[in-house]
Amino acid sequence: SQTIHQWPATLVQPVGSPLSLECTVEGTSNPNLYWYRQAAGRGLQLLFYSVGIGQISSEVPQNLSASRPQDRQFILSSKKLLLSDSGFYLCAWGTGSYEQYFGPGTRLTVT
Amino acid sequence: KQEVTQIPAALSVPEGENLVLNCSFTDSAIYNLQWFRQDPGKGLTSLLLIQSSQREQTSGRLNASLDKSSGRSTLYIAASQPGDSATYLCAVYDYKLSFGAGTTVTVRA
Repeated sequence: SQTIHQWPATLVQPVGSPLSLECTVEGTSNPNLYWYRQAAGRGLQLLFYSVGIGQISSEVPQNLSASRPQDRQFILSSKKLLLSDSGFYLCAWGTGSYEQYFGPGTRLTVT
Repeated sequence: KQEVTQIPAALSVPEGENLVLNCSFTDSAIYNLQWFRQDPGKGLTSLLLIQSSQREQTSGRLNASLDKSSGRSTLYIAASQPGDSATYLCAVYDYKLSFGAGTTVTVRA
């Protein structure tokens, strides 16, 4: 069966510091991968998606970036965090029928 | 731009009562609609997926209907239990998943 992992589970970082969040999927090959952010009191916002290694599409311009160095690994990064980057970050993988499955999430607090 | 609305925003019912959660979307050109459950501080758990050609899907006590032409879906949860307390999100897929803000359900024992 397929499993999706995210780490770290929680993170507290100062403004201006870098960020690296990792997502890995097991049990499937060549999945579509997605990064979402869920801010307090708001719905989920799609940030990036990837249909293959090195292929990244951005939905929202911001100071975040994503990379897919391996088939089942998706990384969300920032060079300098802003207060507004605080939120709950969710990684998901998708099937050919466009169904998506989500990871446990990373709670990021920027102080 | 796809807009997804969920009404009500919150719902509190006694145990055993049936739950009815509503979802509406503005653009009917969708591939599918997915219902999720989210517990506090946790990720999303997929409950049901309805393809655009389907009218409904069932899983145990859960039944979801889809009326694509009117842009509506309803999630029914029969004989609610305290363990059903969570936030329920619907999302439609056109070229990406667009989410509603969710309905937070509390089932009182």
